[in-house]
Amino acid sequence: AQKVTQAQTEISVVEKEDVTLDCVYETRDTTYYLFWYKQPPSGELVFLIRRNSFDEQNEISGRYSWNFQKSTSSFNFTITASQVVDSAVYFCALSEAGRDDKIIFGKGTRLHILP
Amino acid sequence: KAGVTQTPRYLIKTRGQQVTLSCSPISGHRSVSWYQQTPGQGLQFLFEYFSETQRNKGNFPGRFSGRQFSNSRSEMNVSTLELGDSALYLCASSLGQVRHNEQFFGPGTRLTVL
Repeated sequence: AQKVTQAQTEISVVEKEDVTLDCVYETRDTTYYLFWYKQPPSGELVFLIRRNSFDEQNEISGRYSWNFQKSTSSFNFTITASQVVDSAVYFCALSEAGRDDKIIFGKGTRLHILP
Repeated sequence: KAGVTQTPRYLIKTRGQQVTLSCSPISGHRSVSWYQQTPGQGLQFLFEYFSETQRNKGNFPGRFSGRQFSNSRSEMNVSTLELGDSALYLCASSLGQVRHNEQFFGPGTRLTVL
């Protein structure tokens, strides 16, 4: 079954701290795609990253980094030196290549960056 | 380049009524997906249209339907509204298959059913 679990419902950290958002997924397919999206208070989801199952290289984009580990079925997201503007709800999502073109989202992690 | 637009932004209806929501994708995008977001269920996929054809459908009752026009604009219809249909309805567009392309989301339509 296709499933995405974001166990952390809500996290609060003080500005400039590093924070990691966890994402664990379940899939039977060997080919699949993982995503992270950000939903700021304005409501519009913003695409952050897409990773396919054959590419386990970690990725860094500025203060953002992603750690993909197939062995533990995890695709964690770290924000380094957090800023108040990072406050948002973050969603991890999964799409299986063998299925129709659906994306399954996790329940999201609400991140509060305190000044 | 204009982003994804959704109209109306807010809507209040009563049980039993029906509602139509509209989504205009980014110019050149042929795929439009719809999602329902509620505090309890989170973000759930409703359906996806590509070149006027419904390509995928989520696990929602037949009261939820949609269509896509030749200019890629899409509408979503919910008939016989129930209180549980109160939600933020998000539309997203992409160039092609969702798994291979970045999705761009609109601001959503917040539907309240009284």
